[in-house]
Amino acid sequence: DAGITQSPRHKVTETGTPVTLRCHQTENHRYMYWYRQDPGHGLRLIHYSYGVKDTDKGEVSDGYSVSRSKTEDFLLTLESATSSQTSVYFCAISDLGGAYSGANVLTFGAGSRLTVL
Amino acid sequence: QQPVQSPQAVILREGEDAVINCSSSKALYSVHWYRQKHGEAPVFLMILLKGGEQKGHEKISASFNEKKQQSSLYLTASQLSYSGTYFCGTVAGGTSYGKLTFGQGTILTVHP
Repeated sequence: DAGITQSPRHKVTETGTPVTLRCHQTENHRYMYWYRQDPGHGLRLIHYSYGVKDTDKGEVSDGYSVSRSKTEDFLLTLESATSSQTSVYFCAISDLGGAYSGANVLTFGAGSRLTVL
Repeated sequence: QQPVQSPQAVILREGEDAVINCSSSKALYSVHWYRQKHGEAPVFLMILLKGGEQKGHEKISASFNEKKQQSSLYLTASQLSYSGTYFCGTVAGGTSYGKLTFGQGTILTVHP
């Protein structure tokens, strides 16, 4: 992996409890994303960040919040988890430089599997 | 709005060819293709930019029809290692750094 770590990798929690997933990168990439993956839906964007303290909503942001206080860390919080938030969550990073200059090619973390009972 | 991929699933024998299609209702700047093996993270395969430039994988090719907002991924002489779920991701609008919206995925299974 290109220096991107998600934690925890697996979590089981109960409805109504708060949950925070962490994404840590060592690539110094500007852009960070949280996606959720569900059967039949592919990957859907929850929130993304284009810099420290700069975040914006994706297509399925209801029930989620994010924070980015440092370039390397992007946190996803479920304030009160529901069963519909049972999913696999992927963090991704991108930069506009490198071999694909000008295009936001994503590198994904290994994923965090969340089960809400 | 998510792009639509077809077919939803493909089963092949080694050496056979396959085409996966991706269609969007929006004007696109670029189309990305990713492959995800079971239990793993998606991995970037290639990107097709507006204007026809293609960058990425050596043995898999793709096309991008800007007027129709469609892209196709061509897998020729498939290998067992090609098995996985393929996702197209689209960037709409006029900027290269726009949000990437993924299709629902196409499951490709290659048998010996």
